[in-house]
Amino acid sequence: SAVISQKPSRDICQRGTSLTIQCQVDSQVTMMFWYRQQPGQSLTLIATANQGSEATYESGFVIDKFPISRPNLTFSTLTVSNMSPEDSSIYLCSVEDSRRITEAFFGQGTRLTVV
Amino acid sequence: AQTVTQSQPEMSVQEAETVTLSCTYDTSESDYYLFWYKQPPSRQMILVIRQEAYKQQNATENRFSVNFQKAAKSFSLKISDSQLGDAAMYFCAYMDGSEKLVFGKGTKLTVNP
Repeated sequence: SAVISQKPSRDICQRGTSLTIQCQVDSQVTMMFWYRQQPGQSLTLIATANQGSEATYESGFVIDKFPISRPNLTFSTLTVSNMSPEDSSIYLCSVEDSRRITEAFFGQGTRLTVV
Repeated sequence: AQTVTQSQPEMSVQEAETVTLSCTYDTSESDYYLFWYKQPPSRQMILVIRQEAYKQQNATENRFSVNFQKAAKSFSLKISDSQLGDAAMYFCAYMDGSEKLVFGKGTKLTVNP
């Protein structure tokens, strides 16, 4: 199984600012995913990040708001830009490596509060 | 688009008893995977059990088992001998060749001592 370290675990930010969330995996993985979990809600996929190519965003999410980097096979960042209180959520990083087993592993999440 | 429906926002069970969480899904694909994830208050998503659609046999993992009805597109989770540590949010999820997970809205399980 993959071990994922996600930082920060929580943060309180002022509206209008940006926060970058880091996701570090202990092994090389092909696909990395970023999810948002709004308070009391389920997980919604923001984008898929593959190394060496631009991230693919789901409907309702745009690169200007959620820029993603994937510089190598073990690391990715998600930035939440120009934050508003509506961005207050848990953000989770997930990885899959279907070469071994079709299973998704998750980081512990970042709880973001925008004030 | 694929959808996953969990019709039970909340469920409760007595310790040592059995509880079943419901999940239905909609897809036109024939090859896919179904999952149950547990999310305790720590926020960590933990895989409970996985089912490959091409397998007719229901998956089991210790006290956790599923009832997979492919024709009915139903995938329920049975927890036997419930323990206090089973209390959490449970999410049903679907994955096909796109390798993207689609989650249901979740069921909050309370275990009463």
